[in-house]
Amino acid sequence: GAVVSQHPSRVICKSGTSVKIECRSLDFQATTMFWYRQFPKKSLMLMATSNEGSKATYEQGVEKDKFLINHASLTLSTLTVTSAHPEDSSFYICSAPNIQGAEDTEAFFGQGTRLTVV
Amino acid sequence: GQNIDQPTEMTATEGAIVQINCTYQTSGFNGLFWYQQHAGEAPTFLSYNVLDGLEEKGRFSSFLSRSKGYSYLLLKELQMKDSASYLCAVYTGGFKTIFGAGTRLFVKA
Repeated sequence: GAVVSQHPSRVICKSGTSVKIECRSLDFQATTMFWYRQFPKKSLMLMATSNEGSKATYEQGVEKDKFLINHASLTLSTLTVTSAHPEDSSFYICSAPNIQGAEDTEAFFGQGTRLTVV
Repeated sequence: GQNIDQPTEMTATEGAIVQINCTYQTSGFNGLFWYQQHAGEAPTFLSYNVLDGLEEKGRFSSFLSRSKGYSYLLLKELQMKDSASYLCAVYTGGFKTIFGAGTRLFVKA
């Protein structure tokens, strides 16, 4: 099946620094990718939709200047957490829809990135 | 609004059968996913229902009733490794998928 690779799997950074998370589709092209955030024992919350060649669409309440998304190619989307603070510590997951014809039948998830800001 | 409800936790015994329910009220509906997620890991795909009825896949089955806004995931012959969170998610269209909070399943010996 299709594979989405996310890197890094874990990162610890100092408060005030920026962290970049990469999400790659390995054997298919993804014009759209999704970025989710998940707090412990909570469900996935959609942060933004990344669109190749255009600006990302952010969900209500998500700061676009803090969570920078770039989708420069059909196989790579990046999420940069700028000026990270301890409250940004979370599990970040990307996913890409597997498009078969006009229907999405599955979303493929990256491995997730555990971000800890100290 | 968008609302997906599923129980927070369930406990079952190894070898038994467990049913995890999910009810939804969403502005659009194009299908319903079930995912399994172990702690600290990304979700893995279990099933996708578009039409009403039961779909069986090995030990796992998923049921959908669109008129009732209801689905369930049935796990048979439970194994210890089935202890995980199970996420119900509705694909509303336009590449939007809304996730429920998940049901944490504990399988005991």
